[in-house]
Formats: sequence, structure tokens, C-alpha cells
Amino acid sequence: GDSVTQMEGPVTLSEEAFLTINCTYTATGYPSLFWYVQYPGEGLQLLLKATKADDKGSNKGFEATYRKETTSFHLEKGSVQVSDSAVYFCALRYGTSYGKLTFGQGTILTVHP
Amino acid sequence: GAVVSQHPSWVICKSGTSVKIECRSLDFQATTMFWYRQFPKQSLMLMATSNEGSKATYEQGVEKDKFLINHASLTLSTLTVTSAHPEDSSFYICSARVAGGPEYEQYFGPGTRLTVT
Repeated sequence: GDSVTQMEGPVTLSEEAFLTINCTYTATGYPSLFWYVQYPGEGLQLLLKATKADDKGSNKGFEATYRKETTSFHLEKGSVQVSDSAVYFCALRYGTSYGKLTFGQGTILTVHP
Repeated sequence: GAVVSQHPSWVICKSGTSVKIECRSLDFQATTMFWYRQFPKQSLMLMATSNEGSKATYEQGVEKDKFLINHASLTLSTLTVTSAHPEDSSFYICSARVAGGPEYEQYFGPGTRLTVT
């Protein structure tokens, strides 16, 4: 079946460091890919998305590119802030699935001043 | 922005009792709501999909008689864990899809921590 694998955390960085959180997926077709972020005490929020190969999603300085050849959707940010501390989830969805999402296990990011 | 609330945020119940968790879309109508379960350090697992006014669709392996889902209105869905046991202790998260919106546009509640003693 379909699955999403994220790099294990937690990830701890200093402010202004470069961030990469790896995400790879296994799917039989061509899903849409998403990154969600969960801040402490809040619900998951959509951070960015890509719907087809080579698409780049971006938001709030975060970027991820849909790589079909490597089945990956790695999240990157050039300079993290303390406010980026959160749990990040990679997910996939098929267009005909009425919104059903398959999530990775989540990666905890902590950014220190 | 669209807000989804869950109530309660945490609950402790005794083994054998039932507990109800509410999921509300506060400022939009949701034709579809999803219920997820999350174990520590693991991903969210979809339990069921509920559409307003119809029976929920459960994922394989989820006991529909144990996890009762009701979606009686466009702003409220409830999950009732019946005859709870310690292994049902988990973090339950709902999400709501905006009526008439794109399929990817769904909003998540903050979750409910259930502890069964």
C-alpha cells in the first residue's frame, strides 16, 4: 500500500541554520504531496503542496520539490527561526480519494536562539 | 481562517465506559470530516471518513461498533469510543473538509488526548 517515510527526529538547530527534513513515499500512482506543520497546542496546518512531478511548493520560506524519479518531497528552509519549532508531517493524497491523506510519522523540529 | 475545535482536549475514563469526542467547524460548513488516531512518535492513521447525513466509512481494521461516528450536521461530527479499554488510549484528531472547496483544503482540530485507566 501507499506509505510515507520521514527522517527520524527530533531535529535540533540553531537559529538561521539551514533545514532539511527528508520525505520519501511509496505509491502506485501519481499522488499529490503535502507538508503540514503542527505548532504546540494547535491543529495541523497545511504548509505547502505540490500536485505533479517537478512542481515546487513554497510558503513562509519553506520549499519542497516533487521528485518522481526519487519518490521524494524533501522540506527545506534556508534560515530557520525559533518560531519554526513545531512538528512537521509529510503526506500524500490521490485526487479521487475525497481528501484521504496518508501521513508520515512526523519530525519534531526545535530551533534554539 | 477556518477553525476546527475539538472537545474535550483531554479526557480520562475508566475501562468499560464510553466517551464522546466532538469535532466542530466553527466558521465554515464541512460536508466531510475525518477522524485520525495518533500513537506516540507515529503518524496519524485515518480511522474513518464521515459525510454529513450518511454513515461513516471506516478504514480496514477499525471496529465500527467500537468507534461510533455521527455527522449529524454540517458543523459537527462526534466520535464515541464505546466500552473503552487501555489500548484505546491515544490522541484522536479530526479534520474537516470545506464544503464546495478543493479536496486538499481541510482543516485540523487540535486533538483530544484519551487515557483509559
